[in-house]
Amino acid sequence: KAGVTQTPRYLIKTRGQQVTLSCSPISGHRSVSWYQQTPGQGLQFLFEYFSETQRNKGNFPGRFSGRQFSNSRSEMNVSTLELGDSALYLCASSLETGSSYNEQFFGPGTRLTVL
Amino acid sequence: AQSVTQLGSHVSVSEGALVLLRCNYSSSVPPYLFWYVQYPNQGLQLLLKYTSAATLVKGINGFEAEFKKSETSFHLTKPSAHMSDAAEYFCAVTTNSGNTPLVFGKGTRLSVIA
Repeated sequence: KAGVTQTPRYLIKTRGQQVTLSCSPISGHRSVSWYQQTPGQGLQFLFEYFSETQRNKGNFPGRFSGRQFSNSRSEMNVSTLELGDSALYLCASSLETGSSYNEQFFGPGTRLTVL
Repeated sequence: AQSVTQLGSHVSVSEGALVLLRCNYSSSVPPYLFWYVQYPNQGLQLLLKYTSAATLVKGINGFEAEFKKSETSFHLTKPSAHMSDAAEYFCAVTTNSGNTPLVFGKGTRLSVIA
């Protein structure tokens, strides 16, 4: 079974632009979470989508948004890019089993550089 | 609110020596705890997890961790380091609600010296 895939793997943008990152979860997984990883702040939760609905949201400004499609693929968008948005953006998917914990499987990430 | 503290942003050990990476957590409800490893230019791979079963948890690649509620700790150990263990390690916490996001520590970079 294929793992979580993220596209593109690397991206360079300039301040003020917007960017869209894509995540395809493991087949059958309906939950997709996004995390931002930076050297200073570490790994921070952005948001989670389940069945096309945002189920959880982290503490990020409104410039960060996301959505999920009916096939569970997810996109996140960052508008009006700032230098501080340079980071590795990780996507994780999980299978809803009804148990108390659903293991998250991470993709390789998209490295965004803002110049 | 939950939080994780990883003591030591960088740990260096000799090949064959004991690996000990420290993790302390804070949680107002019973936690679920995890250790992830990240190799350069890759995502996170789950090493092991504690989900309220046995307090001593064995994971992949010879790693294990012990949940100590009295010390609010979940330290990661490996008896003998291998060069391939060089990577960044993250401790994370969540609750047993199933839908609570993972909260990560800042990470510990492990270097293994030949």
